[in-house]
Amino acid sequence: EAGVAQSPRYKIIEKRQSVAFWCNPISGHATLYWYQQILGQGPKLLIQFQNNGVVDDSQLPKDRFSAERLKGVDSTLKIQPAKLEDSAVYLCASSSALGPSYEQYFGPGTRLTVT
Amino acid sequence: GQQLNQSPQSMFIQEGEDVSMNCTSSSIFNTWLWYKQEPGEGPVLLIALYKAGELTSNGRLTAQFGITRKDSFLNISASIPSDVGIYFCAGYSSGSARQLTFGSGTQLTVLP
Repeated sequence: EAGVAQSPRYKIIEKRQSVAFWCNPISGHATLYWYQQILGQGPKLLIQFQNNGVVDDSQLPKDRFSAERLKGVDSTLKIQPAKLEDSAVYLCASSSALGPSYEQYFGPGTRLTVT
Repeated sequence: GQQLNQSPQSMFIQEGEDVSMNCTSSSIFNTWLWYKQEPGEGPVLLIALYKAGELTSNGRLTAQFGITRKDSFLNISASIPSDVGIYFCAGYSSGSARQLTFGSGTQLTVLP
């Protein structure tokens, strides 16, 4: 079974530029998550989708971050305009069920550097 | 949001030694997950725990769901060089059942 795919793996941009990340979850997984992981910290949830609907985006900085999962499969996370503090690893994860006891599987992440 | 206190922050051990790390919270958790993350990669799920008191093994790894439901422990026996990485605890609290909360990680270094 293929794992969670993410691209690109690395991205370097200047502040105020825009950037987009792509994620393809494990086949059949209805729930998709985007996390931000700053160096030395655990992942922090940005947004959670169930199929093509948003379940939780309470920690997404909506003035600059947006995400979509139009067909309920793959997803795109965008940052526009980027700030220096957005430098982090952006992780995508997926799980097969929505509930209190479900396991999330992570992709390799995209390392973003904003200069 | 919920806080998970993970300790120790880092460990330096000799190959062959056993390792213990733990995660505590002031809140009750319904599920505990333990992940390992290596440089340049995403976290990999090691063990999932669903019941208070549950003890689950995965090879040389053993994790326990604390009976108070506010803590969890991970043990690694007979460490080897490939155990190097950052180990994260994560959990779903009873008050935030849809959001996975992560600890800050334990950096493990295994010396030959």
